[in-house]
Amino acid sequence: KNQVEQSPQSLIILEGKNCTLQCNYTVSPFSNLRWYKQDTGRGPVSLTIMTFSENTKSNGRYTATLDADTKQSSLHITASQLSDSASYICVVSLANQAGTALIFGKGTTLSVSS
Amino acid sequence: NAGVTQTPKFQVLKTGQSMTLQCAQDMNHEYMSWYRQDPGMGLRLIHYSVGAGITDQGEVPNGYNVSRSTTEDFPLRLLSAAPSQTSVYFCASSYEFAARGEQFFGPGTRLTVL
Repeated sequence: KNQVEQSPQSLIILEGKNCTLQCNYTVSPFSNLRWYKQDTGRGPVSLTIMTFSENTKSNGRYTATLDADTKQSSLHITASQLSDSASYICVVSLANQAGTALIFGKGTTLSVSS
Repeated sequence: NAGVTQTPKFQVLKTGQSMTLQCAQDMNHEYMSWYRQDPGMGLRLIHYSVGAGITDQGEVPNGYNVSRSTTEDFPLRLLSAAPSQTSVYFCASSYEFAARGEQFFGPGTRLTVL
């Protein structure tokens, strides 16, 4: 069964600290893996998209890694800010699909406190 | 560009009532989708469209209808609302297939069915 599992479910960190969110998937055939940030009451916003051949991709203070062999990805946030408080969703897409291609994780809720 | 817009932002219905959730995009994207987001679950695909006049079912289509008469608009209709349809609904669009292209999400419609 195609699944995306994220951990931890929630996380609280102090402003300025770093953190890493995990994503494990059992999706085949694999096309790409995305990380989205969803602020409370808003729609998800794309942070990174990585294909099979990409190991690392950065977007400002956000760095995503992908290990296609172990089917694991991580999102590392550096020098966290209060505005980083949000839900982070890992999404894996199936190759050779049209509309029904995206498998969504349940998300990790990050709270950054001062 | 306004991106993806959704109306209304909030709606309360009584069981059995019908309504239409509106979605529009101004990016000339061919691919549009409707998702629902429930607590503790990943986003689930309701219906999608690969172009004007072409729609198909997603993972949870029961109780919902869609049509796509123009590239810009993709309304979602609830024919006879049920409490199980209480959820947050997101519309999304992309230039390419959802599997390949970056998806842009609207701000969401929070629906409560009493």
